[in-house]
Amino acid sequence: AQSVTQLDSHVSVSEGTPVLLRCNYSSSYSPSLFWYVQHPNKGLQLLLKYTSAATLVKGINGFEAEFKKSETSFHLTKPSAHMSDAAEYFCVVNRDGGATNKLIFGTGTLLAVQP
Amino acid sequence: DVKVTQSSRYLVKRTGEKVFLECVQDMDHENMFWYRQDPGLGLRLIYFSYDVKMKEKGDIPEGYSVSREKKERFSLILESASTNQTSMYLCASITFRMSSYNEQFFGPGTRLTVL
Repeated sequence: AQSVTQLDSHVSVSEGTPVLLRCNYSSSYSPSLFWYVQHPNKGLQLLLKYTSAATLVKGINGFEAEFKKSETSFHLTKPSAHMSDAAEYFCVVNRDGGATNKLIFGTGTLLAVQP
Repeated sequence: DVKVTQSSRYLVKRTGEKVFLECVQDMDHENMFWYRQDPGLGLRLIYFSYDVKMKEKGDIPEGYSVSREKKERFSLILESASTNQTSMYLCASITFRMSSYNEQFFGPGTRLTVL
């Protein structure tokens, strides 16, 4: 069965410092993995997706994630946090290897960025 | 620009009322979803529709039903609202065209309070 575990419910960083949001996955298929972001009072927006073409995936707003099969991880990083990065981030896996479009969401990580 | 709209941003209803949440997408997507989002639980799938008049229960369908009479519109119905259905409801849509890496597009959400 597929699942994702976000290891931190809250992360706080200072503006200009690196961001690391951790996600481990479990999948009996070759996984399709995504990171979505939800800014306050907004809908979810896709940040990036792992398509198996490359293990290091670049997304919008300077975020990237590295797929590590040996560690079953898909951590989200950004070299330098900006105030506008404050939001909730969700790690997501495709439920059944792509047979349908159903997704499984992690419980979310709330990122706070201090000035 | 792709768009998923939801009929209300905020809704307050009384216990026992029948509640309709409407979602419309303008992307000609085949698949549509209803999720509820609760703090610490992430997004959980209520119902899924893979085409007009076709629906499938998600992980938490109890107390809900859905209707999809037209491709662009997917309605969530709370037959008799209860206080434990107070939540944020998110609608999403996605094309089914031959990829497990397709992005789901989300509406802004409806925050429902049941008193």
